[in-house]
Amino acid sequence: DVKVTQSSRYLVKRTGEKVFLECVQDMDHENMFWYRQDPGLGLRLIYFSYDVKMKEKGDIPEGYSVSREKKERFSLILESASTNQTSMYLCASSKRQGLEKLFFGSGTQLSVL
Amino acid sequence: DQQVKQNSPSLSVQEGRISILNCDYTNSMFDYFLWYKKYPAEGPTFLISISSIKDKNEDGRFTVFLNKSAKHLSLHIVPSQPGDSAVYFCAASSGGYQKVTFGTGTKLQVIP
Repeated sequence: DVKVTQSSRYLVKRTGEKVFLECVQDMDHENMFWYRQDPGLGLRLIYFSYDVKMKEKGDIPEGYSVSREKKERFSLILESASTNQTSMYLCASSKRQGLEKLFFGSGTQLSVL
Repeated sequence: DQQVKQNSPSLSVQEGRISILNCDYTNSMFDYFLWYKKYPAEGPTFLISISSIKDKNEDGRFTVFLNKSAKHLSLHIVPSQPGDSAVYFCAASSGGYQKVTFGTGTKLQVIP
């Protein structure tokens, strides 16, 4: 089975801090994604990557950046955390030919105070 | 602009009865549709999908119906079981390397 691991289950940060969310997948998937889940808004795509060192903006990239230096690892960076970035963050991966079938991690609940 | 809409935030169904979850979309370029299930404290898991060349796909107790002219799809669960209680997300993509767009989710409660 595919395993997508997110480094933290819960995270509390202060406004203005730089925040790193890490995600690792163990199935050699080419594609990786970062979503955030908010009540009433569903899952919204922040950034995705189709290959090492490649990244594409999703629907809500403002205030975020990403890094993919290795195939198995995809990092989400909040350059200067704000309270409106308090959310559940979900990482996902998929095979290149099976783009739509995403495998998700368990999520990181981030609170920005 | 919500391209994938799930207008019912919640649904309660008796065990053994049918659960019908609905989803509407606005982007006519979508050609592949999926349903994901999410339990609390877990990531979403893939449930079932359908291509736009079909109007029905079945997998055990789960059936997805697609009405392209109405830009509507539905997920039927028969019979519903308490373990089906979860949040269900509808999702759509336009194939290839296009991104997957999710709906807002419907929380299903199956009452024993």
